[in-house]
Amino acid sequence: GEDVEQSLFLSVREGDSSVINCTYTDSSSTYLYWYKQEPGAGLQLLTYIFSNMDMKQDQRLTVLLNKKDKHLSLRIADTQTGDSAIYFCAERPGGSYIPTFGRGTSLIVHP
Amino acid sequence: NAGVTQTPKFRVLKTGQSMTLLCAQDMNHEYMYWYRQDPGMGLRLIHYSVGEGTTAKGEVPDGYNVSRLKKQNFLLGLESAAPSQTSVYFCASSYFGETQYFGPGTRLLVL
Repeated sequence: GEDVEQSLFLSVREGDSSVINCTYTDSSSTYLYWYKQEPGAGLQLLTYIFSNMDMKQDQRLTVLLNKKDKHLSLRIADTQTGDSAIYFCAERPGGSYIPTFGRGTSLIVHP
Repeated sequence: NAGVTQTPKFRVLKTGQSMTLLCAQDMNHEYMYWYRQDPGMGLRLIHYSVGEGTTAKGEVPDGYNVSRLKKQNFLLGLESAAPSQTSVYFCASSYFGETQYFGPGTRLLVL
């Protein structure tokens, strides 16, 4: 079955790097996503990675994919207070148009 | 482009009342989705549509009905609201099931 797991909370100091982790179970996944939800708003796509890639970098964001361990991570460099939000990991299994979302990780950035 | 919009933004209902939530998208997307978000539960799929005139059940469809009479609109109906339907409702759309674009959400309180 499909299941996406994330830790619920992460607290970091401003200026440090944040690493948010996610594990998934479906071995046929083709797309893996990271969404950001700011307070009172909808989800906004941050980045995504194809399952044939190991890494993707976009400015302060780095996504790492370990297909063997079915582990996905999102690293935010130089974390700012504006990065405080809930981050959702999602997978979309091959041949499906229904993504499965994790429960979200609340990132708290303190001075 | 307005993207995905949702109406209303906030609503209070009494148990047993009915209401319709409207989702509209101007991106010519084929697929549309309704989710509910509850604390600690992440996103749960209620119903979805893969094209005009089609609908399908998601993970938690009981107590809800949907219609997709026009490609750009996806309506979510509650025939007889219950306190358990107090939640934040998100609509999303995508071209053909890949990246989803989310609306800002509708906050519903059922007393």
